[in-house]
Amino acid sequence: GAVVSQHPSRVICKSGTSVKIECRSLDFQATTMFWYRQFPKQSLMLMATSNEGSKATYEQGVEKDKFLINHASLTLSTLTVTSAHPEDSSFYICSARDNYEQYFGPGTRLTVT
Amino acid sequence: EDQVTQSPEALRLQEGESSSLNCSYTVSGLRGLFWYRQDPGKGPEFLFTLYSAGEEKEKERLKATLTKKESFLHITAPKPEDSATYLCAVQAGSARQLTFGSGTQLTVLP
Repeated sequence: GAVVSQHPSRVICKSGTSVKIECRSLDFQATTMFWYRQFPKQSLMLMATSNEGSKATYEQGVEKDKFLINHASLTLSTLTVTSAHPEDSSFYICSARDNYEQYFGPGTRLTVT
Repeated sequence: EDQVTQSPEALRLQEGESSSLNCSYTVSGLRGLFWYRQDPGKGPEFLFTLYSAGEEKEKERLKATLTKKESFLHITAPKPEDSATYLCAVQAGSARQLTFGSGTQLTVLP
């Protein structure tokens, strides 16, 4: 099956700093990528939909100036958490679609101290 | 608004004890129903996509079925390595994104 990678897998940062997470589709081109966040023992919550070459579409309640998304190519999307605070600590998961299915990355555990 | 409800929230089985997980959905224009497996601290792993009522798909000890209102994930003679959270999601209408249920946490005891 298709493979989606994320980097880093785990990051710890201080409050007020920014963190960038990369998501790559390794063996297919993804015109659309998705960013999710997941809190412990909860399901995935969609944050935004990212289309290559255009602005991301954010879900209601997600601050677009705080969670910057860039989809620079058909195989790479990045999520930057700006001025991170402890409440931004969570598990962030990206996903990419080929023509048929949606595949998920392994996730990035962000801890803001 | 699309809704996906999974039951039970948690399920404990003895090894070899077959059972089913339920995913009920209310959507406008179902385009696909997806099952994923998620292990702790990892991203969801794709299992199946079902597109129309009556469709069934199998993979090892897992079998997914679909009706117009719900989907079942049947687990036959489960093993401890089947322990995970199983997520159901739907894609509906013109949306490209998936709407997820809250998941069923399955524990298979040896």
